[in-house]
Amino acid sequence: NAGVMQNPRHLVRRRGQEARLRCSPMKGHSHVYWYRQLPEEGLKFMVYLQKENIIDESGMPKERFSAEFPKEGPSILRIQQVVRGDSAAYFCASSMGLAGLYNEQFFGPGTRLTVL
Amino acid sequence: GQQVMQIPQYQHVQEGEDFTTYCNSSTTLSNIQWYKQRPGGHPVFLIQLVKSGEVKKQKRLTFQFGEAKKNSSLHITATQTTDVGTYFCAGTMTTDSWGKFQFGAGTQVVVTP
Repeated sequence: NAGVMQNPRHLVRRRGQEARLRCSPMKGHSHVYWYRQLPEEGLKFMVYLQKENIIDESGMPKERFSAEFPKEGPSILRIQQVVRGDSAAYFCASSMGLAGLYNEQFFGPGTRLTVL
Repeated sequence: GQQVMQIPQYQHVQEGEDFTTYCNSSTTLSNIQWYKQRPGGHPVFLIQLVKSGEVKKQKRLTFQFGEAKKNSSLHITATQTTDVGTYFCAGTMTTDSWGKFQFGAGTQVVVTP
């Protein structure tokens, strides 16, 4: 059973470009979470999605950031017009049921985004 | 601001010694989870605590959830070099929706042989 997969693992963008980060949850998992981690810091919650629905996006910046989890295919975190401050590791996690209700989150390897 | 605080930020331990890392929340938590992240790696789930005063053990690791459900601790006995990494606590505030976890900044553990 493959774990949570994220690609690309490393992404370099110039200021103003778009970044698309993909996350394929574990088989059978319908809940996806996105986190951002700056160096030497903890993970910051961004958004929680179920298939085709955004459940909680209170941690996501209002502008330039969007997330989706379509019926088919991976979850996508999209950052438009990237700025240097967007440079970070972005982790995706998935769970079978709602995490926190006796369901653990399984994390992917992360995408390290560098904005030049 | 940061709602889940972890102390200490750094912990240098001699192999064989014990240490404890603490997690404190400004508000009551529905649950608390603990994760370990190795340098360059991703967080790996260790344990979840839900009940007030709950204590769980995993070999040399002991996890505790406070009576008021506002704090938690992780105690490691007889530290080994394999314990190196950053330990994070993460909790769901009772005022937040399920699925939204607030992570602490982590305790970075360095083990000296």
